Amino acid sequence: DAGVIQSPRHEVTEMGQEVTLRCKPISGHDYLFWYRQTMMRGLELLIYFNNNVPIDDSGMPEDRFSAKMPNASFSTLKIQPSEPRDSAVYFCASRKDYTDTQYFGPGTRLTVL
Amino acid sequence: SQQGEEDPQALSIQEGENATMNCSYKTSINNLQWYRQNSGRGLVHLILIRSNEREKHSGRLRVTLDTSKKSSSLLITASRAADTASYFCATDSGGGKLIFGQGTELSVKP
Repeated sequence: DAGVIQSPRHEVTEMGQEVTLRCKPISGHDYLFWYRQTMMRGLELLIYFNNNVPIDDSGMPEDRFSAKMPNASFSTLKIQPSEPRDSAVYFCASRKDYTDTQYFGPGTRLTVL
Repeated sequence: SQQGEEDPQALSIQEGENATMNCSYKTSINNLQWYRQNSGRGLVHLILIRSNEREKHSGRLRVTLDTSKKSSSLLITASRAADTASYFCATDSGGGKLIFGQGTELSVKP
């Protein structure tokens, strides 16, 4: 298996622009997670899905952030409008079931100017 | 909110020495996991220990769990320069949600 795939790997945008991050989980995994990592706040869980349904979005910072999972093999995290404080590395991870280990993608490094 | 807290925040040792990292958490857990992150890369799963286990081994890794103290430790024996990375503990309190600590930055000098 190719592992968790994220795109783009790097994104540089200007404040106010819409940003869309993409993730393809490992085939057969029922759970998908979006994390954000910064030096100041560490690794934060933003939202996670089970069988394409959002279960917990309490970590989503504000209404500018939204996530969707239209099918089992694709998820997006959208920021609109983006702000400089959104600059971070965003990781997607997937898991087969709730007792299993979690596999992380390589991350998307987002820079908002 | 952070569940796990690693200690120390940074650790520097010589190749061949053992490295011990500790993790404390606040609520009851189903399992605790340790991950490694090399600079600029994603996290890689190392080992999972369930709440009813006290010790687990995987190669040069040894993990202990003390649920009464709500703490875990990761021991890397005979460290190598390639072990240089950040190490995170993550707790699973149910429902599939993992909460990560701030990590320990390990530097192994050749």
